[in-house]
Amino acid sequence: GDSVTQMEGPVTLSEEAFLTINCTYTATGYPSLFWYVQYPGEGLQLLLKATKADDKGSNKGFEATYRKETTSFHLEKGSVQVSDSAVYFCALPGAGSYQLTFGKGTKLSVIP
Amino acid sequence: NAGVTQTPKFQVLKTGQSMTLQCAQDMNHEYMSWYRQDPGMGLRLIHYSVGAGITDQGEVPNGYNVSRSTTEDFPLRLLSAAPSQTSVYFCASTRLTGGLEAFFGQGTRLTVV
Repeated sequence: GDSVTQMEGPVTLSEEAFLTINCTYTATGYPSLFWYVQYPGEGLQLLLKATKADDKGSNKGFEATYRKETTSFHLEKGSVQVSDSAVYFCALPGAGSYQLTFGKGTKLSVIP
Repeated sequence: NAGVTQTPKFQVLKTGQSMTLQCAQDMNHEYMSWYRQDPGMGLRLIHYSVGAGITDQGEVPNGYNVSRSTTEDFPLRLLSAAPSQTSVYFCASTRLTGGLEAFFGQGTRLTVV
């Protein structure tokens, strides 16, 4: 079945460092791909998405490119801030369904 | 625009008690779902609904019931709480156009003692 694998955390970075969180997927066809973010004590919210191959999603300085050749959707940010500390989830809908399948999440801590 | 509203935010239950977690959305989305979040496990789907009167089981449905009498509401019932149901529960509502974006509630932190 469709699945998502993302890098294990936790990840600790200094402010202004470069961030990459790896995400690879297994899917039938070319589903939409999502990154969700969960700030402490809150629910998940959509960070960015890409709906077809080679699309780049971007929001709040974060970017991810839908790469069908490598079945990847890595999340990147050039300069992280303390306020980016959160848990990040990669996700995709299952084949022929509306359910999202999530990766296990990567906890990011940014220190001043 | 409230989005997805979950109540309560926190709850402590004794083993064997029953309770209902409420979820309501005001976006007229057809698809709604319940997840539980546990450390190291990510989010796991409990039950989902594709519209009023239609529900189905997800990955971990045992010990939980749902119903969907209206488009807006999708309550989750714990029939006889067990310590293994200690978790954070999230309700989500999904827009079925434009790529299946899901909107989540703030979560309910449940502790079963």
